[in-house]
Amino acid sequence: GEDVEQSLFLSVREGDSSVINCTYTDSSSTYLYWYKQEPGAGLQLLTYIFSNMDMKQDQRLTVLLNKKDKHLSLRIADTQTGDSAIYFCAEKGRNNRLAFGKGNQVVVIP
Amino acid sequence: NAGVTQTPKFQVLKTGQSMTLQCAQDMNHEYMSWYRQDPGMGLRLIHYSVGAGITDQGEVPNGYNVSRSTTEDFPLRLLSAAPSQTSVYFCASSYRLGLAGDTQYFGPGTRLTVL
Repeated sequence: GEDVEQSLFLSVREGDSSVINCTYTDSSSTYLYWYKQEPGAGLQLLTYIFSNMDMKQDQRLTVLLNKKDKHLSLRIADTQTGDSAIYFCAEKGRNNRLAFGKGNQVVVIP
Repeated sequence: NAGVTQTPKFQVLKTGQSMTLQCAQDMNHEYMSWYRQDPGMGLRLIHYSVGAGITDQGEVPNGYNVSRSTTEDFPLRLLSAAPSQTSVYFCASSYRLGLAGDTQYFGPGTRLTVL
């Protein structure tokens, strides 16, 4: 089965870049996702990457995928206070279900 | 579009009580699912449905029932609540499962406490 690992906590100063990492186990994953959860809210899809890509950029967000090491990262450039949230990575495996990591809390210090 | 709606937002139950968490979507999505979110555990899939009349178990189905009589609604039933079911429950939907970049839309969640 799928297993997705994330580190738990990151604090970053406003304006700096933040990098969140994730590892997964299912080598047949077709898509990998990053979701953002603000306090008291549901999950919001931020971006996704297809497994045959190694990088995707979307405004301040850069996703890097190392398929050999099964490692996914999300870089947020010019981090803002509104970026404070919990970030979940998720993989879509061979059964087409999403498997989520435990989440990484990002706190942006003004 | 209202997107994915969930009711209630908060609920407190006593052990052994039953209740239904409601989920509805107005996007004509075929795929709907229920997750629970516990501290330090991420999201775990409880049940899912790939279309009206079809449901299947996810990772943690015990203690929960679902039905899908319409495309729009996917209620989650707790038949006899237990303290271990204290959690935040999220409903999600997507147009179809398995397509390129298929996006799951999440509801705002129901925070359930079982005493």
